Amino acid sequence: GAGVSQSPSNKVTEKGKDVELRCDPISGHTALYWYRQRLGQGLEFLIYFQGNSAPDKSGLPSDRFSAERTGESVSTLTIQRTQQEDSAVYLCASSQGGSWTEAFFGQGTRLTVV
Amino acid sequence: GEDVEQSLFLSVREGDSSVINCTYTDSSSTYLYWYKQEPGAGLQLLTYIFSNMDMKQDQRLTVLLNKKDKHLSLRIADTQTGDSAIYFCAEKGDKIIFGKGTRLHILP
Repeated sequence: GAGVSQSPSNKVTEKGKDVELRCDPISGHTALYWYRQRLGQGLEFLIYFQGNSAPDKSGLPSDRFSAERTGESVSTLTIQRTQQEDSAVYLCASSQGGSWTEAFFGQGTRLTVV
Repeated sequence: GEDVEQSLFLSVREGDSSVINCTYTDSSSTYLYWYKQEPGAGLQLLTYIFSNMDMKQDQRLTVLLNKKDKHLSLRIADTQTGDSAIYFCAEKGDKIIFGKGTRLHILP
């Protein structure tokens, strides 16, 4: 596609439910990143996929968070048993190879846990 | 741990220069970046500087890097209303660390 696409753009869920967020990276981009942006905060690194290498999961805040990526295409970020502190905008970015200078961000998914 | 600090707000009169400052802690950073986030939009890479440079100019944007003090600044010349946004500083070490963002407000 022309840019990084994320869906849904907004999600409201009840505390305790599971949610799945989707990211479609730019075609041909081998690297994909997930970040979380809480209100008034900077971006927190969550996870990084690079080609067929093992993902860098060092930013995932708890075992309720997991992410998958199929080859060099779509990625899904799953949050199980959501809590109110999970409310944030979840941003996905992709880049060609590991070079950050070509990374592009999606518009984000705004998650609200009530 | 790694950290990036920015002031949260800056107000500038239209036509003046804006200077947004950032400090970081990771001395092994290879790249430093400035991103712009407009309301309802994703993050847009504005410019970046490699850690062995001390200045980079791109049209109205000037980036200054003081590696010794771990201080990065972004100067926007002739600030316009379209420059109103949140500006994020970021550093690349093992991973990319972002600051909290500086909200730039343009006064008429």
